[in-house]
This record gives sequence, structure tokens and C-alpha cells, in this order.
Amino acid sequence: GDSVTQMEGPVTLSEEAFLTINCTYTATGYPSLFWYVQYPGEGLQLLLKATKADDKGSNKGFEATYRKETTSFHLEKGSVQVSDSAVYFCALRLGSNDYKLSFGAGTTVTVRA
Amino acid sequence: DGGITQSPKYLFRKEGQNVTLSCEQNLNHDAMYWYRQDPGQGLRLIYYSQIVNDFQKGDIAEGYSVSREKKESFPLTVTSAQKNPTAFYLCASRNSRGTGNTIYFGEGSWLTVV
Repeated sequence: GDSVTQMEGPVTLSEEAFLTINCTYTATGYPSLFWYVQYPGEGLQLLLKATKADDKGSNKGFEATYRKETTSFHLEKGSVQVSDSAVYFCALRLGSNDYKLSFGAGTTVTVRA
Repeated sequence: DGGITQSPKYLFRKEGQNVTLSCEQNLNHDAMYWYRQDPGQGLRLIYYSQIVNDFQKGDIAEGYSVSREKKESFPLTVTSAQKNPTAFYLCASRNSRGTGNTIYFGEGSWLTVV
């Protein structure tokens, strides 16, 4: 079935370090891909998305490129801040009318001052 | 402001009791969802509804029930049949028309069985 695999955490970084969280997917069709962020005690917020191959989603200094050839959607940020400490979820949805959003297990990121 | 409101934020349940989690949205979205999140795991779909008066089971519907009598509201009842109900519950919605639409989440409800 359709699924998402994320790099396991937790990840601990110093401020201004480079962050990469790997995400690969398995899907029978052409999914839309998403990164969601969850701050402590809160719900999920959409961070960025890409709906077709080679699209790049970006927001708040984060970027991810939809790579069909490697079935990947890795999240990157060049210089993290303490406020980026959160859990990050990669997710996919097969089509615009597909009800189901399949999530990865989440990666906990802690940024130290 | 438009959004999804879940209540209560924290809820404690005694074993054998049913509890109902509220989810209200004023985004005029057709589709609504309930997910469950356990520590260190991703989200699992409990139920979803694509239109008023209609809903379908997700991957882990056993021990849960829902209703969709109004477009804005999609309450989730955690019944006594749910053997391990302690979790973080997330309600979501999206506009099912158009393409590339996004699922929006509420802030979640913590349920603890005591």
C-alpha cells in the first residue's frame, strides 16, 4: 500500500546548523507530498507541499523537492533556530479527491542555543 | 478567524465510560477527519466524512463512533469498547473540491484513561 518512511529521530542540533530530514514514499500513482510540523502540545500545521514531480515547496526557510526518480521529499533548512524545535511529519495523498493522508512516524528535532 | 476548534483540550475518562470529543470548523469544508496519534508514531485515520450525513471507517475505527449531522461539526465518541484509548486525537478538514487542496488540523485533544 501507499506509505511514507521518515528518517528516525530524535535529531539534536545547535543553532545555525543545517537540518535534513529524509522522507521516501511508496505509492501506486502520483501523490501529492506534504511536510507538517507539530509544536509541543499543539496540532499539526502544514509547513510546505508539492503536488507534482520536480516541484519545490518552501516556507519559513524550509525547502523540499519532489523527486520522482528517487521517490523522495527530503526536508532541509540551512540554518535552524531554537524555535524550529518540533516534530516533523512527512505525508502523502494520492489524488485531490483521495480522502486519506498517509503519515510518516514523525521526526523529533531539538535545536539547542 | 476561520479554523478548526477541538474541545476539550484535556479529558480524563474512567474505564468503562464513553466520552465525546468535539470538533467544529468554520472553513466551509466538506470533508472532515479524525486521527489518532500515539507517542513516537504517525497519525492513524479513525473515521472520515466527505459530506453531511455520511461517514466511513478509517484504519482503526473499532471502539469509536462519529456523526455528521451538520457540515460544521464532526464529533467523535470514544466508547468503552476501545481498549487502549489514551492518545492524542486530531480533527482535520479540507475542501474536497478543486485540486491540490490542503488538510487543516485542529490543535488536538488529549484523552487519558484513569
